[in-house]
Amino acid sequence: DAKTTQPPSMDCAEGRAANLPCNHSTISGNEYVYWYRQIHSQGPQYIIHGLKNNETNEMASLIITEDRKSSTLILPHATLRDTAVYYCILQETSGSRLTFGEGTQLTVNP
Amino acid sequence: DTEVTQTPKHLVMGMTNKKSLKCEQHMGHRAMYWYKQKAKKPPELMFVYSYEKLSINESVPSRFSPECPNSSLLNLHLHALQPEDSALYLCASSQAGMWYNEQFFGPGTRLTVL
Repeated sequence: DAKTTQPPSMDCAEGRAANLPCNHSTISGNEYVYWYRQIHSQGPQYIIHGLKNNETNEMASLIITEDRKSSTLILPHATLRDTAVYYCILQETSGSRLTFGEGTQLTVNP
Repeated sequence: DTEVTQTPKHLVMGMTNKKSLKCEQHMGHRAMYWYKQKAKKPPELMFVYSYEKLSINESVPSRFSPECPNSSLLNLHLHALQPEDSALYLCASSQAGMWYNEQFFGPGTRLTVL
């Protein structure tokens, strides 16, 4: 049973911001929101994670709603190399298990 | 060094063969993982090792046998596999026993069972 819901695919123009949504309405208090991406034929790559505050790093920003039932990953200036499957994952603070959902195929177009 | 290496990159084996997949990291991580990924599907967790001890087995068939000989190495021994076991096998590592758990993935071994 999927704990997160993501659109199966999205398109974005190169240089524009890519906003990838994720619904996690059953999130519990001890679960973090993690984002990974997988470029074709490579292993998944960690992007960012958060609990309830918005987070930013050199790759992306993560916006989590106040009720924590949804989040948005923002790639501020998408490039062709950002074309990948993006996975939104819930992980317990004490757990080591990553359960991947189906993810969103982001295609950045020139 | 933030790299997880996996060998071989590709492997073709018959159903009666015995083969092994290898994974190595030198980041000092004490948690290591095997995932299986079928085409156009997300990765699925198979095994977790924490401090060189098996901590999670996701009900994986016994024809897959993991081994963690030391803190840097993780093996997956394969025996009597079926064609439906053909997949990309991903290894990952992370720090163990922490609330924050970024996993570093290798490029995977693409396995074909004939």
